[in-house]
Amino acid sequence: ELKVEQNPLFLSMQEGKNYTIYCNYSTTSDRLYWYRQDPGKSLESLFVLLSNGAVKQEGRLMASLDTKARLSTLHITAAVHDLSATYFCAVDNSGSEKLVFGKGMKLTVNP
Amino acid sequence: DAGVIQSPRHEVTEMGQEVTLRCKPISGHDYLFWYRQTMMRGLELLIYFNNNVPIDDSGMPEDRFSAKMPNASFSTLKIQPSEPRDSAVYFCASSNSGFLGELFFGEGSRLTVL
Repeated sequence: ELKVEQNPLFLSMQEGKNYTIYCNYSTTSDRLYWYRQDPGKSLESLFVLLSNGAVKQEGRLMASLDTKARLSTLHITAAVHDLSATYFCAVDNSGSEKLVFGKGMKLTVNP
Repeated sequence: DAGVIQSPRHEVTEMGQEVTLRCKPISGHDYLFWYRQTMMRGLELLIYFNNNVPIDDSGMPEDRFSAKMPNASFSTLKIQPSEPRDSAVYFCASSNSGFLGELFFGEGSRLTVL
């Protein structure tokens, strides 16, 4: 059974700081997705990573995928308050077309 | 373009009542997914459809849950009878290329069963 683990699950950081969050998964997969959810809102797609070594950047966020290590990272550069949200990674359960989500990481960026 | 549209946004009902949640996917999308989100269990895939046909319903918790997709523009998730443990946010999502592309989520239906 595919398991997706995120850490940390809660992060409070100061504006201007950098940080990396992690997403590990337990079985082989070449597809990983990052989503953002604001409180009481829907999930918004951030990144789609479709191969080993894929790296994508949008603004202050950069995501990468290492399929050999079964690991994705989401790096935050010079955090701003607007990045406060819950970030989910999700992995395609190869062969079953199921997308399994991690528990999510709640990020709070303090002024 | 309109996104995925769900209704109702909020539903409060009493245990034992029937609940029907509705979803209109993005036009042209051929996959539709129902997810449930709770604090304890996170996001769980309940069922998904491809071209209106249910492909995998192994995530549906019990026989009290059923889902239909009578046409490409409409799906329902029904709970009968509802129980307090069904309280959750139910999301519908659609995509046009399975999991190769992005999932587009609706705003969710927050269900409270008293």
